[in-house]
Amino acid sequence: DQQVKQNSPSLSVQEGRISILNCDYTNSMFDYFLWYKKYPAEGPTFLISISSIKDKNEDGRFTVFLNKSAKHLSLHIVPSQPGDSAVYFCAASRQYSGNTPLVFGKGTRLSVIA
Amino acid sequence: DAGVIQSPRHEVTEMGQEVTLRCKPISGHDYLFWYRQTMMRGLELLIYFNNNVPIDDSGMPEDRFSAKMPNASFSTLKIQPSEPRDSAVYFCASSLAPPNTGELFFGEGSRLTVL
Repeated sequence: DQQVKQNSPSLSVQEGRISILNCDYTNSMFDYFLWYKKYPAEGPTFLISISSIKDKNEDGRFTVFLNKSAKHLSLHIVPSQPGDSAVYFCAASRQYSGNTPLVFGKGTRLSVIA
Repeated sequence: DAGVIQSPRHEVTEMGQEVTLRCKPISGHDYLFWYRQTMMRGLELLIYFNNNVPIDDSGMPEDRFSAKMPNASFSTLKIQPSEPRDSAVYFCASSLAPPNTGELFFGEGSRLTVL
């Protein structure tokens, strides 16, 4: 039973436009959320995170939005660049439960077309 | 600084053979994780260690899988006997902070193909 769901396996976006990647979670105990980015033949790398005390966190072209009532988060990339083409994993955890590891979604493959 | 180092990068074997994947975590990191990536299940945690002690192995699929961490700089994931459904990319990750903080540093992965 997937606790973190990324329902879109893939997404294609034109360069310069906005990319929106979505993630839903079912466990209401999750209070810390992260996005990881993975290029082919490499391991995932941390991109951005958000705590449940916030509803938005921004880092350059990347913004994560959290809607706790809907148990939904999204990653916005503006403007999208060809170098953003990668698989993006959404992950969730319980911030004050040290031994609870991250739970990852299945990932969304983003293709940014020049 | 060297990141997490995994070997081999690619492994092709026949069903029934033993497979051993290796990992060297980042020096000083107290936590080590083994993840498996498949199309069907995405990234799933198999097991993690804290200070070389296994803490949570609930993700290990079955008795054919075993993992060890004999010291702070080395871990192995063994599959014996291997089956075609074990074909996946296996990632090792390490962390300085507890697992819930999300500050994981992943290796480049070991792609396993079982024929």
